[in-house]
Amino acid sequence: AAGVIQSPRHLIKEKRETATLKCYPIPRHDTVYWYQQGPGQDPQFLISFYEKMQSDKGSIPDRFSAQQFSDYHSELNMSSLELGDSALYFCASISLTGAMEGYTFGSGTRLTVV
Amino acid sequence: QQPVQSPQAVILREGEDAVINCSSSKALYSVHWYRQKHGEAPVFLMILLKGGEQKGHEKISASFNEKKQQSSLYLTASQLSYSGTYFCGATPRSGGSNYKLTFGKGTLLTVNP
Repeated sequence: AAGVIQSPRHLIKEKRETATLKCYPIPRHDTVYWYQQGPGQDPQFLISFYEKMQSDKGSIPDRFSAQQFSDYHSELNMSSLELGDSALYFCASISLTGAMEGYTFGSGTRLTVV
Repeated sequence: QQPVQSPQAVILREGEDAVINCSSSKALYSVHWYRQKHGEAPVFLMILLKGGEQKGHEKISASFNEKKQQSSLYLTASQLSYSGTYFCGATPRSGGSNYKLTFGKGTLLTVNP
């Protein structure tokens, strides 16, 4: 079965650089969520999209932006990177039509800012 | 509002049982349970949608007490593969575009031989 695809798997950037993380949801899933997880922490909600429109926003810095495209893939853009941005970034997808179900997470992007 | 999980950590010997609890001060419309291995993505275990609901997945089951706004995850006859961090997650409403999941801080489960 198709899963959620994230790229890249690993990313090393220097402070003040920019990074773009990509997420390809499961086909026919209409909703994408982005989470940030620091070492030993629980996943923190960043932002979500439903049918290509932003549906909710969490503790996402102004330096970050995201969008969902016509093919439902989503990108998280991070600028002016700081050391504290080093974390695992997960996206998850779900279909909100039909029976409620759990999230399917991608394998994540490990971002290291040096 | 973040759900509260307890205990923070559990150490078991293979074959022993464990219970992980999740509670919220706000009404829980749905409760999710996930297991995460170190450096990997959270894996969905089960979802409970209404009070009194119980579900099972192999030797892992869960219940949802809507009145107490609590959910419990039961792991019986634990196996080494059960080791990982277990997260409960709660959603603020029953569906629609705002199906945002807020996770508890997690319970680290270690199963030893």
